[in-house]
Amino acid sequence: DIVMTQAPLSVSVTPGESASISCRSSKSLLHSNGITYVYWYLQKPGKSPQLLIYRMSNLASGVPDRFSGSGSETDFTLKISRVEAEDVGIYYCGQLLEKLTFGSGTKLEIK
Amino acid sequence: QVTLKESGPGILQPSQTLSLTCTFSGFSLSTYGMGVGWIRQPSGKGLEWLANIWWDDDKYYNPSLKNRLTISKDTSNNQAFLKITNVDTADTATYYCARIPGDHWGQGVMVTVSS
Repeated sequence: DIVMTQAPLSVSVTPGESASISCRSSKSLLHSNGITYVYWYLQKPGKSPQLLIYRMSNLASGVPDRFSGSGSETDFTLKISRVEAEDVGIYYCGQLLEKLTFGSGTKLEIK
Repeated sequence: QVTLKESGPGILQPSQTLSLTCTFSGFSLSTYGMGVGWIRQPSGKGLEWLANIWWDDDKYYNPSLKNRLTISKDTSNNQAFLKITNVDTADTATYYCARIPGDHWGQGVMVTVSS
């Protein structure tokens, strides 16, 4: 099974600053069709998760363009520019190349 | 507008079978490429994927729970189902269904296993 490893466990950010979260997969998530099947989700306190980024670098509908995703075949980054108070929560990476697995989550807090 | 809503028993006893229903609207599980997944989250912990079912009835299970899980669908009524046999306290969690790839999630249903 593909294991997704996230870092850091938590991050504390000053409003207006940037934050980056890393995710590494135990296997290449690049399919032969050219699509990299990594996804990013945010779970705000008390809420269901929501999709932020799909297929490594595509912004989901309604997500502010302060969020961006990038990476290679096994190493991925979620960047949040100009962090706002509403961005607090737990961020998860996930892979859909084979079944579905999630990273362990990164908690974002505001300083 | 896509919506999903989970329903379940709320509380059940160890060794019983947990039956969950996901009722959705705004898409069809008979449409090419569509899928629904079940994910759970114990209180204060991370997300654990359980199973997926696709438009063509392909099914995939978390190998750590595979022997206890059964996923199915009723396309006519826009529902997906998950059964977990022989539950114990470790199965206490909030259970979510989501349209794959997770662009829409239900609100979740809390399930407690307790004697």
